[in-house]
Order: sequence, then C-alpha cells, then structure tokens
Amino acid sequence: QKEVEQDPGPLSVPEGAIVSLNCTYSNSAFQYFMWYRQYSRKGPELLMYTYSSGNKEDGRFTAQVDKSSKYISLFIRDSQPSDSATYLCAMSRNTGNQFYFGTGTSLTVIP
Amino acid sequence: NAGVMQNPRHLVRRRGQEARLRCSPMKGHSHVYWYRQLPEEGLKFMVYLQKENIIDESGMPKERFSAEFPKEGPSILRIQQVVRGDSAAYFCASSPLNGLAGPRADEQFFGPGTRLTVL
Repeated sequence: QKEVEQDPGPLSVPEGAIVSLNCTYSNSAFQYFMWYRQYSRKGPELLMYTYSSGNKEDGRFTAQVDKSSKYISLFIRDSQPSDSATYLCAMSRNTGNQFYFGTGTSLTVIP
Repeated sequence: NAGVMQNPRHLVRRRGQEARLRCSPMKGHSHVYWYRQLPEEGLKFMVYLQKENIIDESGMPKERFSAEFPKEGPSILRIQQVVRGDSAAYFCASSPLNGLAGPRADEQFFGPGTRLTVL
C-alpha cells in the first residue's frame, strides 16, 4: 500500500468552477501537509502548507486536513485556465524529514 | 534572490555512461533534497544532504547512485553506468531549516529539474 494515494485524474472543468482535489494517506505520523502545483516540464511550486488538522485559506485556494480520516483536500474557487497544471499533495512526519508525494492530479480548466 | 538552479536541464547518455546532475540551492539554504519523478508517478525521495553531510539516503538505490554536497559548490547527484530505467526527471529542492520553530522551517523550494534520457 502506498503511503500517499492521489487520484491521477485527469480532471477537466469549465472556467469559474470550484475544483476539489484530494489525497488520502496511511501513516498517522504525518503532521505537515503541502500542496504543490507543477506546470508541464517545470519544477513543483508550493501552494499551501498546513500543520496538523484544520483549514487554511489563501486567496482562491483552501486547504483542509482531517487527520482523523487521514484525508486532505485542496479547493480552488473561481478556477482559471492558468490553474491548468498537475497538483501534487505532499506530507512529512517532522521538520527535516523527507516529503512523501502523491502521484499528482492533472487539472485542465477550459475557457 | 535566485531560486534553486539545476543543470543541465536535459541530459542524454548512452547505457553504461555516467551522469552528473548539479544543484545550486537558494542563497542561504544549506539543506538539499533530491527527488526522482518517473512518468505517471509522483516524486520519490532519494537523499537529503547538508553541507558535507548525508542526513538520509534511504531512498537511494544501493548501487550506482551517489550524492554529495561539498562545503563549496553545488550538490552533485552521480549515476554510474546508467541504464534505460534511470531515464526520469530529477528534481532538487533546498530548504533553509534555519533552526526556527514552526511548520515553515523546512519548506522545500524546487528547482526546474534535469531530464535524463538514457539511450
């Protein structure tokens, strides 16, 4: 069983839609949860960084962590064509530990 | 402040040759991570280094792969006697880990990657 599971998609939505991306994990020791965005042929860039359970909002992006269910989500409001990319979830046990990544979900926002 | 730099961006090698991938971390960062990304797969951790020290190499294949981060100069990921299965994108990330408490202390910033193709 993979430590981090993520539906690869692809996911295709119309411009302006709300997008929901999710990951599940098996290791209850994970405390730090991240979402990265990766454009084609580029390196991942950090979108959201959360610690433990709860919600965090940054502009059109909201990250949710439910440690009891071992489930994290990223919501994108008012999606734009420029949001078209692969979204990777990542998590770690502690500072200085390696990050465990999901396989990524490919998102296309259609104008 | 320049971001994480990796070179070369593209590298082609024939089976049996050596591949050297370089990573210059962000200014002020002394921690480097190497990841490998295979097609249709997520990023897989390989090794975590500080200056002159390997902290965690649990993701490194036991043979042919090595990494270093010298006191001066970039971090190097070295693959000897490459095989076709080594073809992948290799990403480097750097982190300040400057001793500050809190969840942002180990935020990892990624470079653009080196795409290795083994013929």
